[in-house]
Amino acid sequence: DAGVIQSPRHEVTEMGQEVTLRCKPISGHNSLFWYRQTMMRGLELLIYFNNNVPIDDSGMPEDRFSAKMPNASFSTLKIQPSEPRDSAVYFCASSWGTEAFFGQGTRLTVV
Amino acid sequence: GIQVEQSPPDLILQEGANSTLRCNFSDSVNNLQWFHQNPWGQLINLFYIPSGTKQNGRLSATTVATERYSLLYISSSQTTDSGVYFCAVGRGGGNKLTFGTGTQLKVEL
Repeated sequence: DAGVIQSPRHEVTEMGQEVTLRCKPISGHNSLFWYRQTMMRGLELLIYFNNNVPIDDSGMPEDRFSAKMPNASFSTLKIQPSEPRDSAVYFCASSWGTEAFFGQGTRLTVV
Repeated sequence: GIQVEQSPPDLILQEGANSTLRCNFSDSVNNLQWFHQNPWGQLINLFYIPSGTKQNGRLSATTVATERYSLLYISSSQTTDSGVYFCAVGRGGGNKLTFGTGTQLKVEL
């Protein structure tokens, strides 16, 4: 398996623009997670899905953030409008009940 | 929520030295993982170890769930071991993880 695949790897956008991050989980995994890593807050969970259904979105910072999982092999995290404080590395992870595996992350810079 | 503390925050080793990293957590857990974040930012799975002891080459880990801590041992360290080591724990259903603040390790020649 190719592991968890995220795209793009790097994104630079201007403040106010919409940003969409994409994730393809490991085939057969039934849980998908979005995390954000910053120097100030470390690694924090934003939202997780189980069987394509959002279970816990309490970590989503604001209404500007939204996430979807239309099927078992694809998820998106959207920020609209983006702000400079959203600059971070965003990780997607997937699991089948136990061990979680992470993608390589998307480094987002909002200028 | 559950609190995860890692120590030491920073560690510098000479190549060939051994080290022990510690992870304390504030409540019972049913999931504990150790990760290595390499200099390119990739999170690499080291161990899935909610309890017991495991070994993989020069690395080993022990979790004492009843006392709420886990240890990661690195023996004969190499420069490629440099990076940040994270402990992450989960409880209840869903397998969502709470991360510690990490131990920054630098191995020098």
